Amino acid sequence: GAGVSQSPRYKVAKRGQDVALRCDPISGHVSLFWYQQALGQGPEFLTYFQNEAQLDKSGLPSDRFFAERPEGSVSTLKIQRTQQEDSAVYLCASSQREGQASEAFFGQGTRLTVV
Amino acid sequence: AQSVTQLGSHVSVSEGALVLLRCNYSSSVPPYLFWYVQYPNQGLQLLLKYTTGATLVKGINGFEAEFKKSETSFHLTKPSAHMSDAAEYFCAVILNTGNQFYFGTGTSLTVIP
Repeated sequence: GAGVSQSPRYKVAKRGQDVALRCDPISGHVSLFWYQQALGQGPEFLTYFQNEAQLDKSGLPSDRFFAERPEGSVSTLKIQRTQQEDSAVYLCASSQREGQASEAFFGQGTRLTVV
Repeated sequence: AQSVTQLGSHVSVSEGALVLLRCNYSSSVPPYLFWYVQYPNQGLQLLLKYTTGATLVKGINGFEAEFKKSETSFHLTKPSAHMSDAAEYFCAVILNTGNQFYFGTGTSLTVIP
């Protein structure tokens, strides 16, 4: 596709519900990144994939957060038993080369609201 | 640890006036430096970046920034503000060996007609 696509754009979840957020990176991009942007804050790193390998998950805030990229293209960020503090915009980014966050393109994000 | 400080969470300028958004970083090694713009309900759009070479970097929409190592700063400027510049601006860094951004908390720019 022309850019990084994320779906859904908006998600409302009841507390305790599981959610899955999808990221379609730019075709052929090797690296994929997830960020969490709380209201009024800058984005914070969650995790990084190189192809299907999750090389860095140091930013995942708890074991309720899980990300996968099984075929090295589409990625899914899953949040189990959502809590109000999970409310944020989740941004996905991809770049063509390995580990090159400096060349990443960002998607429009998924705004998650936990009620 | 990386730290990015954006002075002023809200900046207002008159249309046609100079835009100056401040960014300082803390790092023992000069990182890669970025400015992104975010319009409401949109993702991040890269304005400009500094990796190596010339310390004055020109970006899109008439913006530019200068890397000053001695001041650990990377302030964003534009000579003449347009109404369309109203948005949230984020400064960010990457260690040149790293794979993640560290973002500042953002500066909301308002342009007054």
